[in-house]
Amino acid sequence: GAGVSQSPSNKVTEKGKDVELRCDPISGHTALYWYRQSLGQGLEFLIYFQGNSAPDKSGLPSDRFSAERTGGSVSTLTIQRTQQEDSAVYLCASSLRPAGYEQYFGPGTRLTVT
Amino acid sequence: RKEVEQDPGPFNVPEGATVAFNCTYSNSASQSFFWYRQDCRKEPKLLMSVYSSGNEDGRFTAQLNRASQYISLLIRDSKLSDSATYLCVVGGGSQGNLIFGKGTKLSVKP
Repeated sequence: GAGVSQSPSNKVTEKGKDVELRCDPISGHTALYWYRQSLGQGLEFLIYFQGNSAPDKSGLPSDRFSAERTGGSVSTLTIQRTQQEDSAVYLCASSLRPAGYEQYFGPGTRLTVT
Repeated sequence: RKEVEQDPGPFNVPEGATVAFNCTYSNSASQSFFWYRQDCRKEPKLLMSVYSSGNEDGRFTAQLNRASQYISLLIRDSKLSDSATYLCVVGGGSQGNLIFGKGTKLSVKP
């Protein structure tokens, strides 16, 4: 079956512009996760959705970051007024249920802020 | 103490070698455990879940020691294609997320 898809695969943007990243999870997966990975670093957890709600947004790096999920499916991560330190690979994952079930990752969006 | 700790490596081994990775975790209430592999510039992919009784998948064997909060992965008869970063992953994050270690890099040489 289809895996997690993300778009765009690459995004180059100028500092100060807004960007929107999209994630389409595996059909039927109720939980969706966003992570960030800077070059040579580990995964940084950003936010998790159970259905359409995100119980805790404290993992988002700053108030320039926001995320939403509609219809229990597609999610978008929006970064406003991008900064160079936002450059990273943004990974989305989904799992059948939350709370410790295995997660399946999309290929990521590589964001470069110039 | 970090939530999930791994030796970053790199582990450089010849083809055919047996190599073992270890990982410790801090949350004694954790209930789920996994090994993922991540190839360079790719997303992490689930390698195997880790069960209390230990489990094997071909050349790969995973062990869990709850008392010591320790997880291991053994790779037998290493192949060139095993070269990757291996991530130790523990369930039980405060938001139901998985906690990823920073990974151990393996390089298998001819």
